[in-house]
Amino acid sequence: AQTVTQSQPEMSVQEAETVTLSCTYDTSESDYYLFWYKQPPSRQMILVIRQEAYKQQNATENRFSVNFQKAAKSFSLKISDSQLGDAAMYFCAYYNAGNMLTFGGGTRLMVKP
Amino acid sequence: DTEVTQTPKHLVMGMTNKKSLKCEQHMGHRAMYWYKQKAKKPPELMFVYSYEKLSINESVPSRFSPECPNSSLLNLHLHALQPEDSALYLCASSQDGRGYNEQFFGPGTRLTVL
Repeated sequence: AQTVTQSQPEMSVQEAETVTLSCTYDTSESDYYLFWYKQPPSRQMILVIRQEAYKQQNATENRFSVNFQKAAKSFSLKISDSQLGDAAMYFCAYYNAGNMLTFGGGTRLMVKP
Repeated sequence: DTEVTQTPKHLVMGMTNKKSLKCEQHMGHRAMYWYKQKAKKPPELMFVYSYEKLSINESVPSRFSPECPNSSLLNLHLHALQPEDSALYLCASSQDGRGYNEQFFGPGTRLTVL
């Protein structure tokens, strides 16, 4: 079974600074998808960014970018120019065909003004 | 409309009650999901309907019963729940049941079982 590990239960960042959230996963598959989902205190979870394993180029969405290291099975999320609204739980997730979405344990990000 | 709505927002019930949670989406999605989320934990998949076909997570107790009246609506019927079932119940939808599609989540129902 696939496992997703987020080793940082909590992180904090100063507003306008950059922070990186870590995620590692375990799989024997070569074709899969990785995600970062954000769950703010209001609870509605939203997709931040998605990466297809067959793509070498790292995904980017505005201030959010990933560092995808396939050989190392690492998928970190970098948030640039952090804003107060970035404060949330961040979940890394993995999917490959024939299975359901598997979430990591989450990282709580706090943003200090 | 990219919204998934859930009712009620909060629910308190006794162990002998029967209640239902409701979820609705109008994005034309053909897959809908129920998740259970405990505090400070990731969501755990309970059920998924894809093209009106149910997939069950076999670890879910029978006191939880899903229903999908049509592709836009999803219900979760609750009966004889236990206090450990208290949690946030999230509904989500996606274009189809393939996991690489973005899932759109509702705000959840906060369930307390007394």
